[in-house]
Amino acid sequence: DAGVIQSPRHEVTEMGQEVTLRCKPISGHNSLFWYRQTMMRGLELLIYFNNNVPIDDSGMPEDRFSAKMPNASFSTLKIQPSEPRDSAVYFCASSPPAVNTGELFFGEGSRLTVL
Amino acid sequence: KQEVTQIPAALSVPEGENLVLNCSFTDSAIYNLQWFRQDPGKGLTSLLLIQSSQREQTSGRLNASLDKSSGRSTLYIAASQPGDSATYLCAALNAGNNRKLIWGLGTSLAVNP
Repeated sequence: DAGVIQSPRHEVTEMGQEVTLRCKPISGHNSLFWYRQTMMRGLELLIYFNNNVPIDDSGMPEDRFSAKMPNASFSTLKIQPSEPRDSAVYFCASSPPAVNTGELFFGEGSRLTVL
Repeated sequence: KQEVTQIPAALSVPEGENLVLNCSFTDSAIYNLQWFRQDPGKGLTSLLLIQSSQREQTSGRLNASLDKSSGRSTLYIAASQPGDSATYLCAALNAGNNRKLIWGLGTSLAVNP
């Protein structure tokens, strides 16, 4: 299995630009999570989907952030407009259909730098 | 509100030493506790998952224990090797928290040859 695939691995952009991060979960997994990791705050859950439906988006920082999961094999996290404080590593993770075990499989992350 | 704390933040040991990483949580009503490893510039890899009904899990040189009454989990690494150098994170899945893991900030481990 290829694992969770994220793109791009690195993105450098200027403040105000739109950023789109992409994720392909492991085939057969029905839950998908977007996390943000910074040195100061560690890992923060932004949003998670179950069977392509957003279940909890309480971690999305503000309206500039949006996430979609149009089908079981693809999700995007969009930031518009981007700000320097959005600089972080964004991880996508997926989880197989198993009630409450919570085992996560992570992608290698997208490192975002907003200048 | 669940809070997860990992102490120490960083640890440096000589190769071959047995070591213990600590994870504390404030709310004992958890479904499970998980330990992850993160290498620099990489994603997280799940190491061990302990269900709330279990006391410990073992995988190779790794052993994780769970004591809900004291709000503690430990990750024991036997005969440490330089390849064990990484950041180790623990995360608690709360009962009723709808699959939202609460994360510690991690312990950065360096095993010196």
